[in-house]
Amino acid sequence: DVKVTQSSRYLVKRTGEKVFLECVQDMDHENMFWYRQDPGLGLRLIYFSYDVKMKEKGDIPEGYSVSREKKERFSLILESASTNQTSMYLCASSLYQGEEKLFFGSGTQLSVL
Amino acid sequence: SQKIEQNSEALNIQEGKTATLTCNYTNYSPAYLQWYRQDPGRGPVFLLLIRENEKEKRKERLKVTFDTTLKQSLFHITASQPADSATYLCALPPTGNQFYFGTGTSLTVIP
Repeated sequence: DVKVTQSSRYLVKRTGEKVFLECVQDMDHENMFWYRQDPGLGLRLIYFSYDVKMKEKGDIPEGYSVSREKKERFSLILESASTNQTSMYLCASSLYQGEEKLFFGSGTQLSVL
Repeated sequence: SQKIEQNSEALNIQEGKTATLTCNYTNYSPAYLQWYRQDPGRGPVFLLLIRENEKEKRKERLKVTFDTTLKQSLFHITASQPADSATYLCALPPTGNQFYFGTGTSLTVIP
């Protein structure tokens, strides 16, 4: 089975800090995604990547950046954390674009104080 | 952009009954639709995919229908059990390289 691993389950940071969320998948998937999930808003795509060093903006990229230096690893960076970035962050991967299901990590609950 | 609505935020049913969850969408006709299950504090897990030319798909106690005329998918859990309690999300396939997800329906099966 595909395993998508997110580095932290819970994270507490201060406003203005730079925050790194790490995600690793072990099935050689081409595509990787970062979503945030908020009550009543559902899953919203922040960034995705379909290849190493490639990235595309999703619906809500403001305040975030990403890095994909290796195929298996996709990092989400909050340049200067703000309280409105308190959320559940979910990483996902899929084999290729198109008709493929997403495999999700367990999520990181980030609190920005 | 694509809009997806799931029938209600929360659904409570008695154990043994059939739970029916609804997913309605607008703006285009997807080639397929997916259903995911999400437990509290965990990431979603893929359950079923149904294609536009399939009226119905089954997997154990799960049944999904897909009506492209009504732009609606129904997700049924028969003989429901307390272990089925979770949030269920529908998702539409990539447009512009992203999946669109509904906000989910929280199902509670009461023993």
